[in-house]
Amino acid sequence: GDSVTQMEGPVTLSEEAFLTINCTYTATGYPSLFWYVQYPGEGLQLLLKATKADDKGSNKGFEATYRKETTSFHLEKGSVQVSDSAVYFCALPTGNQFYFGTGTSLTVIP
Amino acid sequence: NAGVMQNPRHLVRRRGQEARLRCSPMKGHSHVYWYRQLPEEGLKFMVYLQKENIIDESGMPKERFSAEFPKEGPSILRIQQVVRGDSAAYFCASSLQGSYNSPLHFGNGTRLTVT
Repeated sequence: GDSVTQMEGPVTLSEEAFLTINCTYTATGYPSLFWYVQYPGEGLQLLLKATKADDKGSNKGFEATYRKETTSFHLEKGSVQVSDSAVYFCALPTGNQFYFGTGTSLTVIP
Repeated sequence: NAGVMQNPRHLVRRRGQEARLRCSPMKGHSHVYWYRQLPEEGLKFMVYLQKENIIDESGMPKERFSAEFPKEGPSILRIQQVVRGDSAAYFCASSLQGSYNSPLHFGNGTRLTVT
């Protein structure tokens, strides 16, 4: 069935470092792809999405490009901040639900 | 402009008791999803409901768990005779349309602890 495989964490970076969190997907057809972020003690928030191949989603300095040829949707940010410390989930809709990756915990240290 | 509201935020139950978790979707949303998150794990789908209908309950344990979304009022996830393994964070999400291009909006969850 449709699924996503997400880079395992945890990831620890210094402030202003470059971030990449890998996500690859398996899907029949071409679903929209999503990144969600979860801050401690909170629910998931939509970070960005892309609806078709070659689309780039972006928000708050984060970007991800929907690449059909490599079935990937990697999350990137050029310069992370301490406030970006959170857990990041890649997701895709499948059937009647969303399938979420296992999450990648990011800690940014000053 | 309220988002998805879940209550209670924290719930402590002794083994064998019942737990009731409530979720009010975003205004105008008629699609509700329940997910469970165990410590250090991702989110696992439990059930998808529309008003008065269960559309997909393939992720729900066959016993002790039930969900409803009545015509009036919040969606309820009910766990009867709780056991320690039910301790988890339970998240509700709503969407304007069913899935595909319509993102999910999550509540802040109910953290259930079974003692």
